Amino acid sequence: GIQVEQSPPDLILQEGANSTLRCNFSDSVNNLQWFHQNPWGQLINLFYIPSGTKQNGRLSATTVATERYSLLYISSSQTTDSGVYFCAVVGGSGAGSYQLTFGKGTKLSVIP
Amino acid sequence: NAGVTQTPKFRILKIGQSMTLQCTQDMNHNYMYWYRQDPGMGLKLIYYSVGAGITDKGEVPNGYNVSRSTTEDFPLRLELAAPSQTSVYFCASSYSFMSDGYTFGSGTRLTVV
Repeated sequence: GIQVEQSPPDLILQEGANSTLRCNFSDSVNNLQWFHQNPWGQLINLFYIPSGTKQNGRLSATTVATERYSLLYISSSQTTDSGVYFCAVVGGSGAGSYQLTFGKGTKLSVIP
Repeated sequence: NAGVTQTPKFRILKIGQSMTLQCTQDMNHNYMYWYRQDPGMGLKLIYYSVGAGITDKGEVPNGYNVSRSTTEDFPLRLELAAPSQTSVYFCASSYSFMSDGYTFGSGTRLTVV
């Protein structure tokens, strides 16, 4: 099945700093989503972005499908941005190509 | 609009016991999913359903069973609980595999002792 790798695994930021999270995937994708899992465990859908660029407030995302990667940008980080950010894709071929496959996530800690 | 509701939020089981995790959604989504999340890992698909009466295995189905008698409900059954099933379980729903708007429940934290 398709492989999803996220980097860095852990990130510590001072409040107000900017950051870039990366997601690499091993095959073509039909669906790519970024999720934020807050410290209480709730998963929130941030972006649906199989290609192109989207922005939502301080967050933006870019997917370059031909080069098999996606980036999530967080600007002017706040303590409420803390949590784990997951990239998840639907793609590849064969068994499991229909399912949303998750990376292991990037754990972000924003300190005051 | 409640979205996806999971019960219970926490549960401790003894080895060999059985239980059912409940999941219901009110968005009229045809597609529903059960995932498990182990510490430091992403989510792995256990079972999914594309509509009432239709279910299929995901990546890690062993030790679990599901049913889908209505569009709204998708319970997950654990038979003969084992310590390896200690995990956080998430139910989710969507319009299709390819759609945006996957909505997740708040999770069930299960410990098997």
